[in-house]
Amino acid sequence: KNQVEQSPQSLIILEGKNCTLQCNYTVSPFSNLRWYKQDTGRGPVSLTIMTFSENTKSNGRYTATLDADTKQSSLHITASQLSDSASYICVVSVATGANNLFFGTGTRLTVIP
Amino acid sequence: DAGVIQSPRHEVTEMGQEVTLRCKPISGHNSLFWYRQTMMRGLELLIYFNNNVPIDDSGMPEDRFSAKMPNASFSTLKIQPSEPRDSAVYFCASSSLGRSYEQYFGPGTRLTVT
Repeated sequence: KNQVEQSPQSLIILEGKNCTLQCNYTVSPFSNLRWYKQDTGRGPVSLTIMTFSENTKSNGRYTATLDADTKQSSLHITASQLSDSASYICVVSVATGANNLFFGTGTRLTVIP
Repeated sequence: DAGVIQSPRHEVTEMGQEVTLRCKPISGHNSLFWYRQTMMRGLELLIYFNNNVPIDDSGMPEDRFSAKMPNASFSTLKIQPSEPRDSAVYFCASSSLGRSYEQYFGPGTRLTVT
């Protein structure tokens, strides 16, 4: 069964600290994996998109990693800021099939001063 | 670029009424997506258009839901009749490369059916 699981469900960290969000998937055959940031009351915004051959991709203070063998991805946030408070959603795409996007339920990150 | 535009931003309606949500994709994008987001189920893809043609509507929950894209710059999602369980935030997104690539989301329409 194609699934995307994210952990933790929620996380609270102090401003300036680093954190890592996890995404495990059982989706096959794999096409690509995306991380989105969704601020409260707004639509998701793409942070990174990685294909099978990519292990790491950075976008400013955000660094995503992908291990296609273990079917795991992580999103590392460095030197967190209050504006990082949001939900982070992992989305995996399969290479075939009619409904080929699988969504995680997200990690709710709260950065406190 | 104004990004993806959705209207209305908020809609409150009574059960049984017809609801129409509207979306204007980013100019030049040839793929358009309708999503529904709830606390319980997260983001769900409802339907996907490519070059104004519905490609995949397997996510549409039932016949009460319908979507159209009469031209490259406009799409509607209609619910008739609406039910309380349809209450959710509905997002429209567009892409220039199809469903497997980066999608740009609109601000969403928060629908409340009482």
